[in-house]
Amino acid sequence: GENVEQHPSTLSVQEGDSAVIKCTYSDSASNYFPWYKQELGKRPQLIIDIRSNVGEKKDQRIAVTLNKTAKHFSLHITETQPEDSAVYFCAAGAGSYQLTFGKGTKLSVIP
Amino acid sequence: GAVVSQHPSWVICKSGTSVKIECRSLDFQATTMFWYRQFPKQSLMLMATSNEGSKATYEQGVEKDKFLINHASLTLSTLTVTSAHPEDSSFYICSASTSSGGANEQYFGPGTRLTVT
Repeated sequence: GENVEQHPSTLSVQEGDSAVIKCTYSDSASNYFPWYKQELGKRPQLIIDIRSNVGEKKDQRIAVTLNKTAKHFSLHITETQPEDSAVYFCAAGAGSYQLTFGKGTKLSVIP
Repeated sequence: GAVVSQHPSWVICKSGTSVKIECRSLDFQATTMFWYRQFPKQSLMLMATSNEGSKATYEQGVEKDKFLINHASLTLSTLTVTSAHPEDSSFYICSASTSSGGANEQYFGPGTRLTVT
């Protein structure tokens, strides 16, 4: 089955700096890569996703890049703000609708 | 759009009793619903995949007789934790997926915190 590795497990950045979270996956059949943000005690929220026919996608301060050959994808957050502090999960999925999640990255943005 | 509700948001029960958790897609039809379990500071662990009108598919290590899943309609799935024990205490989250040519977007419910005493 699919295996998703996520790094780092924790990340602290100064407000205004950029944050990068990286994930690798094992199943070459995976073609959908979402990123979720989860605040303490709340539900995971889909913040951005990318499909395997696209190499990069951007939405305001958030961008995701995908390298199918190397089987890795990354989340980039620019101009970080305190409200970006949360746990971020990457995931990978194929046509079965199931998603395999990474273990999460706790991002702390220091004012 | 794509709103998923879950009820109850928290529940405390005694050992040996059963607890039912409901997951509803409010503004879309969910062909597939998923049930996850999340321990503190850990990732989402998929328990089972539920398709409307058919039996749920359980992940390895998840007892299907203990975690009963019913997906009676395109907007409702239920998880019943039977004969609950303290080790079943956890955060249970459902998600719903729209079927759209292989699309995998999953929208999560707010979760149910179960405490078994």
